[in-house]
Amino acid sequence: NAGVTQTPKFQVLKTGQSMTLQCAQDMNHNSMYWYRQDPGMGLRLIYYSASEGTTDKGEVPNGYNVSRLNKREFSLRLESAAPSQTSVYFCASSPQGDYSNQPQHFGDGTRLSIL
Amino acid sequence: GNSVTQMEGPVTLSEEAFLTINCTYTATGYPSLFWYVQYPGEGLQLLLKATKADDKGSNKGFEATYRKETTSFHLEKGSVQVSDSAVYFCALRLSSNTGKLIFGQGTTLQVKP
Repeated sequence: NAGVTQTPKFQVLKTGQSMTLQCAQDMNHNSMYWYRQDPGMGLRLIYYSASEGTTDKGEVPNGYNVSRLNKREFSLRLESAAPSQTSVYFCASSPQGDYSNQPQHFGDGTRLSIL
Repeated sequence: GNSVTQMEGPVTLSEEAFLTINCTYTATGYPSLFWYVQYPGEGLQLLLKATKADDKGSNKGFEATYRKETTSFHLEKGSVQVSDSAVYFCALRLSSNTGKLIFGQGTTLQVKP
């Protein structure tokens, strides 16, 4: 039972490069989320997808784009990476967003460094 | 706005000591409250949750009670172990259809033998 799988686990980029972080879940969850984790700041929501076919901005969306490719997959793209985007990125999913108290399930994270 | 505030860490305890990690929140409506734990190099795992006032969540010896009058959800454990060393996050989930979580900044716990 894989749960939420993120790729890659580690990545180093140069300023200005682009890349896509991949996330897939095999739990048939409707909702998916992208967070970034920075020291002393907890996790901050970048984008989320409450259901297949919808995406919405979170707290810190600038510099990112997302695609909900299908129910399983939710990718995060950095079009022109900046050093301020050095962080650990987590993808999460949950069964449904509508008045649900089901917990979010997290992947193991992608550690991204931008030089 | 909606927010979660946790006590600053790191918290360093000896094995078998009593643990309290404070968490207070500000939220509109009636949020659900969660504690997540992150072990080194891993993602977050749900530790416990409470969905309404006076609920007590518990798991693996950890407990937290949803106190609406003090807007708090403090995490406690009577006797910590070295294996409890991790980062603990308090989070709230608003009563909406998005399922978004708002996290505190995290508290690092180090338990020494």
